[in-house]
Amino acid sequence: SAVISQKPSRDICQRGTSLTIQCQVDSQVTMMFWYRQQPGQSLTLIATANQGSEATYESGFVIDKFPISRPNLTFSTLTVSNMSPEDSSIYLCSVESGQGKDNEQFFGPGTRLTVL
Amino acid sequence: SQQGEEDPQALSIQEGENATMNCSYKTSINNLQWYRQNSGRGLVHLILIRSNEREKHSGRLRVTLDTSKKSSSLLITASRAADTASYFCATEITGGAQKLVFGQGTRLTINP
Repeated sequence: SAVISQKPSRDICQRGTSLTIQCQVDSQVTMMFWYRQQPGQSLTLIATANQGSEATYESGFVIDKFPISRPNLTFSTLTVSNMSPEDSSIYLCSVESGQGKDNEQFFGPGTRLTVL
Repeated sequence: SQQGEEDPQALSIQEGENATMNCSYKTSINNLQWYRQNSGRGLVHLILIRSNEREKHSGRLRVTLDTSKKSSSLLITASRAADTASYFCATEITGGAQKLVFGQGTRLTINP
Protein backbone atom coordinates (compact mmCIF):
# COMPACT_ATOMS: atom_id res chain seq x y z
CA SER A 1 0.00 0.00 0.00
CA ALA A 2 1.07 3.59 -0.62
CA VAL A 3 2.32 5.73 2.25
CA ILE A 4 0.68 9.13 2.15
CA SER A 5 1.52 12.17 4.25
CA GLN A 6 -0.27 15.47 4.55
CA LYS A 7 0.80 18.86 5.83
CA PRO A 8 -0.33 20.53 7.96
CA SER A 9 -2.07 17.96 10.15
CA ARG A 10 -4.28 20.70 11.54
CA ASP A 11 -4.66 24.45 11.43
CA ILE A 12 -6.82 27.22 12.81
CA CYS A 13 -7.35 30.06 10.37
CA GLN A 14 -9.12 33.39 10.23
CA ARG A 15 -11.97 33.91 7.81
CA GLY A 16 -10.99 35.47 4.52
CA THR A 17 -7.56 33.87 4.46
CA SER A 18 -6.34 30.89 2.41
CA LEU A 19 -4.63 27.65 3.38
CA THR A 20 -2.65 25.32 1.16
CA ILE A 21 -2.62 21.64 2.07
CA GLN A 22 0.13 19.38 0.79
CA CYS A 23 -0.13 15.69 -0.04
CA GLN A 24 2.97 13.57 -0.59
CA VAL A 25 2.98 9.93 -1.74
CA ASP A 26 5.91 7.55 -1.50
CA SER A 27 5.37 6.18 -5.01
CA GLN A 28 4.32 7.52 -8.39
CA VAL A 29 0.58 7.50 -8.94
CA THR A 30 -1.50 8.62 -11.87
CA MET A 31 -4.53 9.91 -10.05
CA MET A 32 -4.85 11.69 -6.74
CA PHE A 33 -8.14 12.59 -5.12
CA TRP A 34 -9.13 15.29 -2.66
CA TYR A 35 -12.03 14.76 -0.26
CA ARG A 36 -13.76 16.89 2.34
CA GLN A 37 -15.32 15.57 5.52
CA GLN A 38 -17.48 18.09 7.31
CA PRO A 39 -18.00 17.65 11.06
CA GLY A 40 -19.95 14.49 11.81
CA GLN A 41 -20.43 13.77 8.11
CA SER A 42 -19.15 11.36 5.52
CA LEU A 43 -16.58 12.07 2.83
CA THR A 44 -17.37 14.04 -0.30
CA LEU A 45 -15.08 14.14 -3.31
CA ILE A 46 -13.86 17.63 -4.19
CA ALA A 47 -11.78 16.89 -7.27
CA THR A 48 -9.54 14.45 -9.09
CA ALA A 49 -6.00 15.62 -9.81
CA ASN A 50 -4.05 14.17 -12.71
CA GLN A 51 -0.47 15.09 -13.39
CA GLY A 52 -0.10 17.38 -16.38
CA SER A 53 -3.75 18.33 -16.72
CA GLU A 54 -6.35 20.45 -15.03
CA ALA A 55 -8.10 18.95 -12.03
CA THR A 56 -11.63 17.67 -12.53
CA TYR A 57 -14.06 19.14 -10.00
CA GLU A 58 -17.24 17.58 -8.68
CA SER A 59 -20.56 19.34 -8.67
CA GLY A 60 -20.62 22.05 -6.04
CA PHE A 61 -16.86 22.62 -6.04
CA VAL A 62 -15.06 25.19 -8.19
CA ILE A 63 -11.47 25.91 -9.04
CA ASP A 64 -11.55 29.47 -7.72
CA LYS A 65 -12.44 28.22 -4.25
CA PHE A 66 -10.32 25.03 -4.27
CA PRO A 67 -7.38 25.44 -6.66
CA ILE A 68 -5.31 22.28 -7.02
CA SER A 69 -1.80 21.74 -8.22
CA ARG A 70 -0.26 18.47 -9.39
CA PRO A 71 3.31 19.23 -10.40
CA ASN A 72 4.51 15.61 -10.47
CA LEU A 73 3.40 12.03 -9.87
CA THR A 74 4.04 12.03 -6.12
CA PHE A 75 2.73 15.40 -4.94
CA SER A 76 -0.37 17.56 -4.97
CA THR A 77 -1.69 20.61 -3.16
CA LEU A 78 -5.20 21.78 -2.40
CA THR A 79 -5.81 25.41 -1.47
CA VAL A 80 -8.91 26.43 0.43
CA SER A 81 -9.40 30.06 -0.59
CA ASN A 82 -11.17 32.96 1.08
CA MET A 83 -12.18 30.73 3.96
CA SER A 84 -15.36 30.95 5.96
CA PRO A 85 -16.42 28.94 9.05
CA GLU A 86 -18.37 26.63 6.71
CA ASP A 87 -15.03 25.42 5.34
CA SER A 88 -14.14 23.91 8.72
CA SER A 89 -13.62 20.25 7.83
CA ILE A 90 -11.12 17.47 7.53
CA TYR A 91 -9.49 17.48 4.11
CA LEU A 92 -8.07 14.17 2.89
CA CYS A 93 -6.09 13.15 -0.14
CA SER A 94 -6.12 9.64 -1.53
CA VAL A 95 -4.50 7.53 -4.22
CA GLU A 96 -5.17 4.22 -5.87
CA SER A 97 -2.80 1.36 -5.30
CA GLY A 98 -2.37 0.26 -8.93
CA GLN A 99 -2.93 1.16 -12.53
CA GLY A 100 -5.73 -1.17 -13.49
CA LYS A 101 -9.29 -1.69 -12.40
CA ASP A 102 -10.44 -2.65 -8.90
CA ASN A 103 -7.63 -1.16 -6.90
CA GLU A 104 -7.76 -0.23 -3.28
CA GLN A 105 -7.78 3.47 -2.58
CA PHE A 106 -5.64 4.64 0.31
CA PHE A 107 -6.01 7.83 2.29
CA GLY A 108 -3.67 10.26 3.93
CA PRO A 109 -4.08 11.11 7.63
CA GLY A 110 -6.10 14.22 6.83
CA THR A 111 -5.80 17.92 7.61
CA ARG A 112 -8.20 19.22 10.24
CA LEU A 113 -9.09 22.81 9.41
CA THR A 114 -10.93 25.14 11.74
CA VAL A 115 -11.98 28.56 10.43
CA LEU A 116 -12.85 31.22 12.98
CA SER B 1 -27.49 12.08 -4.34
CA GLN B 2 -25.44 9.09 -5.35
CA GLN B 3 -24.27 8.48 -1.82
CA GLY B 4 -25.12 5.18 -0.34
CA GLU B 5 -26.88 4.60 2.89
CA GLU B 6 -25.58 2.70 5.86
CA ASP B 7 -27.47 1.26 8.72
CA PRO B 8 -27.50 1.39 11.53
CA GLN B 9 -26.15 4.93 11.97
CA ALA B 10 -24.90 3.89 15.39
CA LEU B 11 -24.34 0.51 16.99
CA SER B 12 -23.31 -0.29 20.55
CA ILE B 13 -22.47 -3.86 21.58
CA GLN B 14 -20.56 -5.73 24.23
CA GLU B 15 -17.01 -6.87 23.69
CA GLY B 16 -16.94 -10.35 22.21
CA GLU B 17 -20.21 -9.97 20.33
CA ASN B 18 -20.46 -9.76 16.56
CA ALA B 19 -21.20 -6.47 14.82
CA THR B 20 -23.00 -6.23 11.49
CA MET B 21 -23.20 -3.09 9.41
CA ASN B 22 -25.12 -2.71 6.16
CA CYS B 23 -24.58 -0.54 3.13
CA SER B 24 -26.88 0.15 0.20
CA TYR B 25 -26.04 2.00 -2.99
CA LYS B 26 -27.83 3.20 -6.08
CA THR B 27 -25.80 2.63 -9.24
CA SER B 28 -23.76 -0.04 -10.99
CA ILE B 29 -20.35 -0.49 -9.38
CA ASN B 30 -16.89 -1.88 -10.14
CA ASN B 31 -16.18 -2.62 -6.50
CA LEU B 32 -17.13 -1.72 -2.96
CA GLN B 33 -14.61 -0.88 -0.26
CA TRP B 34 -14.95 -0.70 3.51
CA TYR B 35 -12.98 1.73 5.66
CA ARG B 36 -12.52 2.41 9.35
CA GLN B 37 -11.99 5.85 10.85
CA ASN B 38 -10.95 6.43 14.43
CA SER B 39 -12.00 9.73 16.03
CA GLY B 40 -11.99 11.84 12.87
CA ARG B 41 -8.54 10.75 11.79
CA GLY B 42 -7.46 9.24 8.48
CA LEU B 43 -9.27 6.32 6.91
CA VAL B 44 -7.89 2.81 7.18
CA HIS B 45 -8.68 0.54 4.25
CA LEU B 46 -10.24 -2.72 5.45
CA ILE B 47 -11.34 -4.73 2.45
CA LEU B 48 -12.31 -4.45 -1.22
CA ILE B 49 -14.91 -6.69 -2.82
CA ARG B 50 -15.32 -6.76 -6.58
CA SER B 51 -18.67 -6.64 -8.31
CA ASN B 52 -18.34 -10.27 -9.40
CA GLU B 53 -17.59 -11.48 -5.86
CA ARG B 54 -20.21 -12.41 -3.32
CA GLU B 55 -18.22 -12.84 -0.14
CA LYS B 56 -14.77 -12.03 1.15
CA HIS B 57 -12.95 -12.64 4.41
CA SER B 58 -10.04 -10.92 6.09
CA GLY B 59 -9.22 -11.97 9.63
CA ARG B 60 -12.27 -11.19 11.77
CA LEU B 61 -13.95 -9.35 8.92
CA ARG B 62 -16.50 -10.84 6.57
CA VAL B 63 -17.96 -8.80 3.73
CA THR B 64 -20.84 -9.81 1.48
CA LEU B 65 -22.06 -8.16 -1.69
CA ASP B 66 -25.44 -8.60 -3.37
CA THR B 67 -25.42 -6.64 -6.61
CA SER B 68 -29.03 -7.55 -7.37
CA LYS B 69 -30.10 -5.76 -4.18
CA LYS B 70 -27.31 -3.18 -4.42
CA SER B 71 -26.26 -3.90 -0.88
CA SER B 72 -23.29 -5.03 1.15
CA SER B 73 -22.68 -6.01 4.74
CA LEU B 74 -19.63 -5.93 6.97
CA LEU B 75 -19.48 -8.42 9.83
CA ILE B 76 -16.89 -8.05 12.59
CA THR B 77 -16.69 -11.17 14.69
CA ALA B 78 -15.54 -11.39 18.31
CA SER B 79 -15.45 -7.62 18.66
CA ARG B 80 -12.80 -5.84 20.72
CA ALA B 81 -12.71 -2.42 22.36
CA ALA B 82 -10.17 -1.38 19.71
CA ASP B 83 -12.83 -1.91 17.03
CA THR B 84 -14.63 1.19 18.30
CA ALA B 85 -14.66 3.52 15.29
CA SER B 86 -16.76 4.78 12.42
CA TYR B 87 -17.09 2.42 9.47
CA PHE B 88 -17.75 3.61 5.94
CA CYS B 89 -18.58 1.81 2.74
CA ALA B 90 -17.48 3.38 -0.52
CA THR B 91 -18.44 2.38 -4.03
CA GLU B 92 -16.40 2.78 -7.17
CA ILE B 93 -19.06 3.52 -9.73
CA THR B 94 -18.85 1.92 -13.17
CA GLY B 95 -17.53 4.52 -15.57
CA GLY B 96 -16.79 6.84 -12.66
CA ALA B 97 -13.07 7.27 -13.29
CA GLN B 98 -12.03 5.45 -10.09
CA LYS B 99 -13.64 7.99 -7.78
CA LEU B 100 -15.39 6.70 -4.66
CA VAL B 101 -18.86 7.53 -3.38
CA PHE B 102 -19.11 7.14 0.37
CA GLY B 103 -21.97 6.02 2.56
CA GLN B 104 -22.95 7.97 5.63
CA GLY B 105 -21.12 5.64 7.98
CA THR B 106 -21.91 3.59 11.06
CA ARG B 107 -20.56 4.63 14.44
CA LEU B 108 -19.62 1.42 16.27
CA THR B 109 -19.00 1.39 20.02
CA ILE B 110 -17.67 -1.72 21.72
CA ASN B 111 -18.34 -1.73 25.45
CA PRO B 112 -15.83 -3.57 27.65
